[in-house]
Amino acid sequence: QQPVQSPQAVILREGEDAVINCSSSKALYSVHWYRQKHGEAPVFLMILLKGGEQKGHEKISASFNEKKQQSSLYLTASQLSYSGTYFCGTETKTGNQFYFGTGTSLTVIP
Amino acid sequence: EAQVTQNPRYLITVTGKKLTVTCSQNMNHEYMSWYRQDPGLGLRQIYYSMNVEVTDKGDVPEGYKVSRKEKRNFPLILESPSPNQTSLYFCASSLVGEGREQFFGPGTRLTVL
Repeated sequence: QQPVQSPQAVILREGEDAVINCSSSKALYSVHWYRQKHGEAPVFLMILLKGGEQKGHEKISASFNEKKQQSSLYLTASQLSYSGTYFCGTETKTGNQFYFGTGTSLTVIP
Repeated sequence: EAQVTQNPRYLITVTGKKLTVTCSQNMNHEYMSWYRQDPGLGLRQIYYSMNVEVTDKGDVPEGYKVSRKEKRNFPLILESPSPNQTSLYFCASSLVGEGREQFFGPGTRLTVL
């Protein structure tokens, strides 16, 4: 049930935009996005719930297509601080069990 | 300061020597969970707990045990560690219910020789 992320890695120059995709073969009840910097713990970015509700980061946006069981994270005007590995996560209907994707490494260069 | 703490942060041990990694949170969260992180595999859930005395298997529970005797603590026990359990381990906590944010501990890097 592990979600699939694409691309696996991306390199950007400062100011460029990026899109990270997350898809699941199972029904998605919510999608979570986390960012992990090298050597650190994952940090919450955003949650998208069925019905369109979003909670999270002001400068990062995301979409959630319930029918296609997909989510995309949009990073606009990227900054050096955006570098890290991005994980999407999904939870079971009961909200008990949690599955993370394999991650997308994003590097922003000057 | 609201946080999740783990100890030890680094551990090198030998095959078969029982070990415990502790996890504690000070946010009064009902839900706690353990993940392991391996290159190319992302984060995989080992065990989770919905509340005191309520634990359940995640995706990769083999070789691990947990207990939840107090709300704030959720130790991970490896009774007979093997080299394939060499990994980076994260504990996390959250409120219960759909769409809640998980707070992660700093991680424990375990090497089993």
